[in-house]
Amino acid sequence: EAQVTQNPRYLITVTGKKLTVTCSQNMNHEYMSWYRQDPGLGLRQIYYSMNVEVTDKGDVPEGYKVSRKEKRNFPLILESPSPNQTSLYFCASSLQGDQPQHFGDGTRLSIL
Amino acid sequence: EDQVTQSPEALRLQEGESSSLNCSYTVSGLRGLFWYRQDPGKGPEFLFTLYSAGEEKEKERLKATLTKKESFLHITAPKPEDSATYLCAVHRSARQLTFGSGTQLTVLP
Repeated sequence: EAQVTQNPRYLITVTGKKLTVTCSQNMNHEYMSWYRQDPGLGLRQIYYSMNVEVTDKGDVPEGYKVSRKEKRNFPLILESPSPNQTSLYFCASSLQGDQPQHFGDGTRLSIL
Repeated sequence: EDQVTQSPEALRLQEGESSSLNCSYTVSGLRGLFWYRQDPGKGPEFLFTLYSAGEEKEKERLKATLTKKESFLHITAPKPEDSATYLCAVHRSARQLTFGSGTQLTVLP
């Protein structure tokens, strides 16, 4: 089954404790992206990757890092999380950057 | 600045009561407009892509249309299972999407 898998689905942690949210897709997609979803603000893009070793900033990249060492994986790293990063995060992938994106089921992060 | 505005924010319909959701956009060089459906606790699910003014796409009770400034998602004779948040997004480059805040649709039996 074609899917985008995120882990963990839920996480409560404390300010400053580094965390990684993993994202994996099994569709051999070139393009992957991370979004955060906040009430009233919609989905906002954090980082995206056009292909292996190629990443670029989206609209709200501050406080986040990503890497794309393999085509299928695109982890999101919060090196020093802060409460304003409490949000619902989605990973997405598509064949190319301008194609419809497949989304994971989300990771709800709470930073205390 | 590229913007996508959806209205209304929330809509409650009786089963069978047809209506439309609106997505207005300002973007330089539109490369495509997407409609997604999002159920609680799930990621957005792709519905339609529209590329040029005048284009229409249909799927079951849903029909999406596009003009130069806005898109409509028409829902004909909705059923309770159509209840969801509907998201509109525009491609402002080959790499990035701008999403609207969504319309939360509730269809009452």
